[in-house]
Amino acid sequence: DAEITQSPRHKITETGRQVTLACHQTWNHNNMFWYRQDLGHGLRLIHYSYGVQDTNKGEVSDGYSVSRSNTEDLPLTLESAASSQTSVYFCASSEATGVTEAFFGQGTRLTVV
Amino acid sequence: GENVEQHPSTLSVQEGDSAVIKCTYSDSASNYFPWYKQELGKRPQLIIDIRSNVGEKKDQRIAVTLNKTAKHFSLHITETQPEDSAVYFCAARSGGGADGLTFGKGTHLIIQP
Repeated sequence: DAEITQSPRHKITETGRQVTLACHQTWNHNNMFWYRQDLGHGLRLIHYSYGVQDTNKGEVSDGYSVSRSNTEDLPLTLESAASSQTSVYFCASSEATGVTEAFFGQGTRLTVV
Repeated sequence: GENVEQHPSTLSVQEGDSAVIKCTYSDSASNYFPWYKQELGKRPQLIIDIRSNVGEKKDQRIAVTLNKTAKHFSLHITETQPEDSAVYFCAARSGGGADGLTFGKGTHLIIQP
């Protein structure tokens, strides 16, 4: 069955370190998204991609970057982790055409100490 | 950009009663309005969605209504059951459908036995 998976599920890192969170989907979806979830803020869009070599900034993109070298993967990089980036991160994907459901990964809980 | 407001933040109802969660959006170009359910520690999962050319949609005990003029939409759950306890998020997507969803901050629904 097609799915979307994130790794790692949990990560603890130190302030200032570079961290990369992986997202892999087998739906063959062109659209992929990264959200962060914090209490009181719901889910906020970090970056998104319409397809290979395409990336776009979302609402809370400062301190994050993404790259899209193939259809299946959209890794999220924190260039220099900060305590404010402690959060649960969700990756999602959807079909390119029309308005369709977004499928979410299981989430990655990141703690920056 | 789009702004989605969701109310209430917490809703407690007796088992068997109905629950209503309301959302408003700001971008009149938004054309897709999904509702996600998130159980503790799990990923958000789509429970129902509605497109801007439809006023109401029903799926068993769950229904969504959309008022484009007033820019608000609501989730209705009838005959609530303990397994309905979760956090519910409304969302809106503007434009052609490829942009990420803008989420409300969530409603914690508690079903009292």
